[in-house]
Amino acid sequence: DIQMTQSPSSLSASVGDRVTITCRASQGISNYLAWYQQKPGKVPKLLIYAASTLQSGVPSRFSGSGSGTDFTLTISSLQPEDVATYYCQKYNSALRGFGGGTKVEIK
Amino acid sequence: QVQLVQSGSELKKPGASVKVSCKASGYTFTSYAMNWVRQAPGQGLEWMGWINTNTGNPTYAQGFTGRFVFSLDTSVSTAYLQISSLKAEDTAVYYCARDVLSLRRSFKNWFDPWGQGTLVTVSS
Repeated sequence: DIQMTQSPSSLSASVGDRVTITCRASQGISNYLAWYQQKPGKVPKLLIYAASTLQSGVPSRFSGSGSGTDFTLTISSLQPEDVATYYCQKYNSALRGFGGGTKVEIK
Repeated sequence: QVQLVQSGSELKKPGASVKVSCKASGYTFTSYAMNWVRQAPGQGLEWMGWINTNTGNPTYAQGFTGRFVFSLDTSVSTAYLQISSLKAEDTAVYYCARDVLSLRRSFKNWFDPWGQGTLVTVSS
């Protein structure tokens, strides 16, 4: 089965910083990748699908890119409300799966 | 609006069974697959598998075969997760999450919306 690896596992950045999270697939998955945000104690929220398509209502400071095995989620200007754990999810087949998560904190 | 409402928290003893429900509303239940996701305390999201709500055919992820069973009651638009022979390590929040694209469109799917989660605690 294809494994999803996220890096870093956690990061601390200042408000206004550009933040980049990486998700790597052990085999190519085309653009079948989604990103979710989970705030502490809350339900995961869909941010991006098809690697780079922003879900309706998600702030434009979030963006996604990549194809094949390497993907990135970028927050262009980190805001206090972006404190959360971010997960990538592959869906190139009937066997879906998540990356291990990246916890984002404010410095 | 599309909504998934899960059953309440459960406290079970080791060896017992639990059945978590996920009631859907706002759409045609049998047109979209349902996924189950586990989150142990302080841990990440684990995809457990999904069930085809049209045929009832389940697909289980590695590590979730044997004690875990997905089922449906389409008459009440509800999906179920049953876990038997509970162990302490089954303590987690369990989420249901609907596929975004319908079964007719694709099995390659991401998830939205999600249920609110059900905490299952296994303790003697």
